[in-house]
Amino acid sequence: DAGVTQSPTHLIKTRGQQVTLRCSPKSGHDTVSWYQQALGQGPQFIFQYYEEEERQRGNFPDRFSGHQFPNYSSELNVNALLLGDSALYLCASSLAGTLGYNEQFFGPGTRLTVL
Amino acid sequence: AQTVTQSQPEMSVQEAETVTLSCTYDTSESDYYLFWYKQPPSRQMILVIRQEAYKQQNATENRFSVNFQKAAKSFSLKISDSQLGDAAMYFCAYRSPNTGNQFYFGTGTSLTVIP
Repeated sequence: DAGVTQSPTHLIKTRGQQVTLRCSPKSGHDTVSWYQQALGQGPQFIFQYYEEEERQRGNFPDRFSGHQFPNYSSELNVNALLLGDSALYLCASSLAGTLGYNEQFFGPGTRLTVL
Repeated sequence: AQTVTQSQPEMSVQEAETVTLSCTYDTSESDYYLFWYKQPPSRQMILVIRQEAYKQQNATENRFSVNFQKAAKSFSLKISDSQLGDAAMYFCAYRSPNTGNQFYFGTGTSLTVIP
């Protein structure tokens, strides 16, 4: 049973560019959440997707957008990259209707470096 | 937004000894969940233990246990018989149905296990 997978592992971009990160949820999961983890910090919630719609959003600008596909996989897009966007981006999956006590399963993350 | 505070950026413990990691949180809600996640150097976050706020009994998972003090808004993690594999970043996290079930993470505690 494959867990949460993310691609690519590492990415280097320059300021002003756009980036797309990808996530495949754990088998059987239908909800995907994205987190940004800056160096030395805990993960910060970006947004959550369920049934191909953004259901909840954290305190991130509109430059951060996402998408969920019918197979539940998801993309995170960041436009007009800033130096401060350099971070580890984590994807987490869960099963809708079992939230709350149940855990989210995290992927290994994508390390984004903006130069 | 809920605030989760981990006041110990770094901790160390001798192998086979016991260590306690601290976590406090700020909330006005009565229904919520608390988690401890472990993030080894390979980066994938793994659930260590979880606690439902309405349960007075402290959760235990093998060598890991928590001391949940609801009135004090404290949720500490005790690791007994520490092993080299316990070395990692440990994040305390809060989750509530009223906030859409997103995780709020602390800044983490880096645990070193000394052979």
